[in-house]
This record gives sequence, structure tokens and C-alpha cells, in this order.
Amino acid sequence: EDQVTQSPEALRLQEGESSSLNCSYTVSGLRGLFWYRQDPGKGPEFLFTLYSAGEEKEKERLKATLTKKESFLHITAPKPEDSATYLCAVQGLGASGTYKYIFGTGTRLKVLA
Amino acid sequence: NAGVTQTPKFQVLKTGQSMTLQCAQDMNHNSMYWYRQDPGMGLRLIYYSASEGTTDKGEVPNGYNVSRLNKREFSLRLESAAPSQTSVYFCASSEAPYYEQYFGPGTRLTVT
Repeated sequence: EDQVTQSPEALRLQEGESSSLNCSYTVSGLRGLFWYRQDPGKGPEFLFTLYSAGEEKEKERLKATLTKKESFLHITAPKPEDSATYLCAVQGLGASGTYKYIFGTGTRLKVLA
Repeated sequence: NAGVTQTPKFQVLKTGQSMTLQCAQDMNHNSMYWYRQDPGMGLRLIYYSASEGTTDKGEVPNGYNVSRLNKREFSLRLESAAPSQTSVYFCASSEAPYYEQYFGPGTRLTVT
């Protein structure tokens, strides 16, 4: 069964305390893995796309990595403005040629000043 | 450049009423999507349109219909609303099916 699991569900960090969020997935026909940030009451905002194992992407304090079974979002020296829910999503191609889009339930990150 | 816009922002319906959620994008994207987001369930795909003139069912299509009116607009219709359809609905668009998606601000729908 195709699924995406994110851990932890919630994470509280002190400002400057680095950590990692995990996204493990099982999907047939993987075409891409995506990370989004979602602030309360708003739509998700795109962060990164990863297409193949070993690929890495960076943006400011965030770095995303991908293996064949999971992805990590590393947050280095976070600031309070990094507080948000981080969503992982995978895209694949089904046997019938239809597209599949599966989101995880997210990690709620709170960074304390 | 507004990105993805959705109307209305909030809506309350009684069971059995119908309504259409509107979505438009100004990024010249080919693909558009409708999701619902419920606590503890994550975003679930209702329908998508890979390109103008095509629509396909997603994970939870029952109770919904869609129309890709043109390249810019993709509407979601609830023919007979049920309390189980109480949710936050997001529209999204992407350049192509395997590209990153850009989301609208959402519509909060309550069915009583």
C-alpha cells in the first residue's frame, strides 16, 4: 500500500538547536518527493523537490536529502520564524497510468526564542 | 501576479445543499488539483486535471464533481453536501504533473 509517514508529529526546539524531520515512504513508480511548509490558516508553500536517491537541496537554514526509502529535512540553527508545519509529499505513477499524490500528515515545528 | 485564488474563503451549508468552489491560477500552469485537509488525515487528493480538457479521480472523489473550464480555472462542485464533507479545501496548480505545486489560501467549509 502506498503511504507516507512523517515523524515526529510535533517538535519543540530552542532557537539555534538543530534537528531533523523524517519522511518515510512506500510508493510504486516514484516520480518525485516534495517538501512544503504550511503556516496556520494558509495553504502549503513549496520548499524542495527531490527526484532521485542521493539528491540534496538547500535553502537558507533548511536542507533536504533523499534515500530510496526516506527523506530528511535538516534544520540548522532554527529561528522562531521557522515555526510551521512541514509536509512531505510523494508523486508516483499508478499501474493504470494515472498519477498518485500522497501527502504525509506533517511535523508541527515550534522554535522557542 | 496573484498565483492561485479561491472563492469563497468560508462557507456554511445545510445537509443536502449544493455549491461550487472556484479556483483560478495566473501562472499559465497546465495541471490543477483539488485537495481536502482534515485533522490527522493530511491532504487528500479529490480530483486533478493533468492538462486542459482532462480530469481524473484522486483518492477521495465520491460526492464531488469537477470542471476544467479553461486553462486558468478549475471548479469543484458538491451536489448534495453531507456533514462528512466539512473540511478545508485547497486548490493547487503546477507546470506539469511531476512538478512542484502552488496552493491557494483554502476554503473552510462547514456542513451542518
